Amino acid sequence: EAGVAQSPRYKIIEKRQSVAFWCNPISGHATLYWYQQILGQGPKLLIQFQNNGVVDDSQLPKDRFSAERLKGVDSTLKIQPAKLEDSAVYLCASSREQGANSPLHFGNGTRLTVT
Amino acid sequence: LAKTTQPISMDSYEGQEVNITCSHNNIATNDYITWYQQFPSQGPRFIIQGYKTKVTNEVASLFIPADRKSSTLSLPRVSLSDTAVYYCLVGDPLYSASKIIFGSGTRLSIRP
Repeated sequence: EAGVAQSPRYKIIEKRQSVAFWCNPISGHATLYWYQQILGQGPKLLIQFQNNGVVDDSQLPKDRFSAERLKGVDSTLKIQPAKLEDSAVYLCASSREQGANSPLHFGNGTRLTVT
Repeated sequence: LAKTTQPISMDSYEGQEVNITCSHNNIATNDYITWYQQFPSQGPRFIIQGYKTKVTNEVASLFIPADRKSSTLSLPRVSLSDTAVYYCLVGDPLYSASKIIFGSGTRLSIRP
């Protein structure tokens, strides 16, 4: 099966600019996640979708981050305006079910550098 | 939420068996134990999952003692390509992955 697709692979922006990331999950996976991974740390969950509904966005900085999953398939994550501390890899993952024993399948991420 | 503790780093040599132990003293009755592997510039990749005793697949084995307060990921005859960060996670299948926390993982370095 095709894996989780993400684009772009790299992005460099200046602070206060906006940026958007795109994710296409594995076909048939109802659950989609966005993670932020800062260098040297483990991934941190930003938001979880079940189909096109939000399950958990408690760690999403809502004043600047937004995400949507239209039609329960593709998803976009947006940052506006970006801050220096947003420099990180943004990972998208999907799973068949939302239970904790349903393995996560990750894309290779988008590396964001904010200057 | 069950917190996990694992070594920050480990070194080994090609052909050796590597065991990475994860401590999860507060594991709950319904929690499963899952391990992921992450190479540089890639997202984490699922390796193995278990609930109790021993689980084995084509990549690794997972040993879980009766009290389930720890687990050991065993990689047989490692090669240079096993150099990666390994994450141990604990979570309840009745709850979403948002309840599972990735720690900083164990950075495994394999030498020739």
